[in-house]
This record gives sequence, C-alpha cells and structure tokens, in this order.
Amino acid sequence: AQSVTQPDARVTVSEGASLQLRCKYSYSATPYLFWYVQYPRQGLQLLLKYYSGDPVVQGVNSFEAEFSKSNSSFHLQKASVHWSDSAVYFCALSMEGGRALIFGTGTTVSVSP
Amino acid sequence: AQTIHQWPVAEIKAVGSPLSLGCTIKGKSSPNLYWYWQATGGTLQQLFYSITVGQVESVVQLNLSASRPKDDQFILSTEKLLLSHSGFYLCAWSLGTGNAEQFFGPGTRLTVL
Repeated sequence: AQSVTQPDARVTVSEGASLQLRCKYSYSATPYLFWYVQYPRQGLQLLLKYYSGDPVVQGVNSFEAEFSKSNSSFHLQKASVHWSDSAVYFCALSMEGGRALIFGTGTTVSVSP
Repeated sequence: AQTIHQWPVAEIKAVGSPLSLGCTIKGKSSPNLYWYWQATGGTLQQLFYSITVGQVESVVQLNLSASRPKDDQFILSTEKLLLSHSGFYLCAWSLGTGNAEQFFGPGTRLTVL
C-alpha cells in the first residue's frame, strides 16, 4: 500500500544550524512528491515539489530537497535555519492523477535562539 | 491571482447539531477541489474531492458529506455532529490535469462539545 513515513516527530535545532527532515515513501509507480509547511493555526503552504528530472529541487525560503529512487526518499534540507522556520513540515505523495494526496505524520521543527 | 477562502474561521458546536463549512476559490476556473481533516497535532486525511460541479467523490466519509453547487464553491456538511468531528478542516484546489500540486486554504477550526 502507498504510504509516506516521516520518522522524526520533533526536531530541535539552533538558529543558524543546518536542518534535515527525513521522508520515505512507498509507491510502486512514479512518485510525485511535495513538502508543505504549516505554521500555527494556519493552512499548508507548498515549499517545493518533485515531478521528474534533477533529483535536487529548490524551493521557497532556501529550502531544497533531494529525491532518491533507490532509497525511496525525499529528504528536505536547509543550510541555515531562522527562528521563523519553526513550524510543522509535511511530506506528501501524489497519486491517481493528483486526486489523492497522502501525507506523512509531520515533523515539528523548533528553532532555538 | 487565485485566492481561497474558507468560512467560518472557527466554530464551537454541540454534539448532535448540524454543520456546514464552506470554501470558495477565486481566480481559477474549473479547479479540482478537496476537503481534508486534521486532528489536533495530527496529519491530514483527505475526505472528498470534486473535479466538476455536482460531482463529488468520497475518500473517507467520517459521517460527513460534501457538495459542489458552483464551480468555485465546495461545501462540507453533516446533520449530526460527533465529538470525533473536532479538528481542523482544510479546503484545497489544484489544476485539473496530472499530479499538480494542491493549494490550501486557511482552514476552519471546529470544536464539538
């Protein structure tokens, strides 16, 4: 069955440090993958997407993600975090022509000063 | 530019009472529309999607129903609320083709007492 796994429920990093959020997926066909961010009491905002081609994709606010077909992964990274990056990050897998979007359980990121 | 509006922003309702949540998309014709439910601190679960007026597909019902009375409007409702309906309801839209990314509204927070 199709699924998305985010193994880290919570990550705490210091401001200015690097950040990596892990995402593993299970899907037999070509995956379309997304990272979304949710700030407190708000909807989701799209950070970046992967459809095909270059496995490293750039997103908003200096985030990037790397797709690995061999590892079934789509990890999110940022070189230097800011306190405003504190939020919940969701990895998602699109299937069935975009009508079904499966989300991981999310990773809560806390950036300490 | 496309805008997505959800109403109300928040609701506090009694168990057994009816509910109607709305979503309006402006600036995009014939979008695919989606309803999601998010438990407090949880991941997102897709409930319904619609590719055209009058046509709604159920993914997970949770004793809820959805309708699309106009091209730019998506309604989520129930005649009798349960405690388990509490949570955050998000509406989203996407282009009608392929595995396009979904764009989310600001959400409605529902508390059932």
